[in-house]
Amino acid sequence: AQKITQTQPGMFVQEKEAVTLDCTYDTSDPSYGLFWYKQPSSGEMIFLIYQGSYDQQNATEGRYSLNFQKARKSANLVISASQLGDSAMYFCAMRESPGSARQLTFGSGTQLTVLP
Amino acid sequence: DSGVTQTPKHLITATGQRVTLRCSPRSGDLSVYWYQQSLDQGLQFLIQYYNGEERAKGNILERFSAQQFPDLHSELNLSSLELGDSALYFCASSVELRGADTQYFGPGTRLTVL
Repeated sequence: AQKITQTQPGMFVQEKEAVTLDCTYDTSDPSYGLFWYKQPSSGEMIFLIYQGSYDQQNATEGRYSLNFQKARKSANLVISASQLGDSAMYFCAMRESPGSARQLTFGSGTQLTVLP
Repeated sequence: DSGVTQTPKHLITATGQRVTLRCSPRSGDLSVYWYQQSLDQGLQFLIQYYNGEERAKGNILERFSAQQFPDLHSELNLSSLELGDSALYFCASSVELRGADTQYFGPGTRLTVL
């Protein structure tokens, strides 16, 4: 079973509008972390935002916020006031149980295109 | 700039050859992770080192190996290369504290096997 599911292969948004990128996850661990990364066409992976499973508040970082719905196992990324530079691939990732292994499991990504 | 450096940026080689990818983590980070990004497999975890010791293994082929040196830089060795090994190889590092323990990625090494 997929641990991280991103159902939107591609999304379009008008500049200055908000957009939500979907992410659902599957884990039985009570302690986990959820991350969003941005990959522009240049290829680097840029960390955007983190949400811990025990965090009471939704995470926010500037124009990025994470809509965390634990019961539904969803961790959607909301980008407000989209800019042309937001055009990129976005990956949702999960790190399970803080044991010795702390690797990330990634979703398949969503290609976001911001239209002028 | 994440603070993680990777060399080389691009590598073109032939099938059957061996290559070494190098990674320097952010200052103070003890953990190094290697990931492979390919069109068919997506982003996959290969291996993790923590302060010089192997911590976890993912979908790493037996032809691949890695190590982390006392100065904490890491190398990923890929041998008997096949066409299917062509991919973008990322190194990431983290400080490995509790909480977020965010992994910061290097710019990647794009490997092309001809």
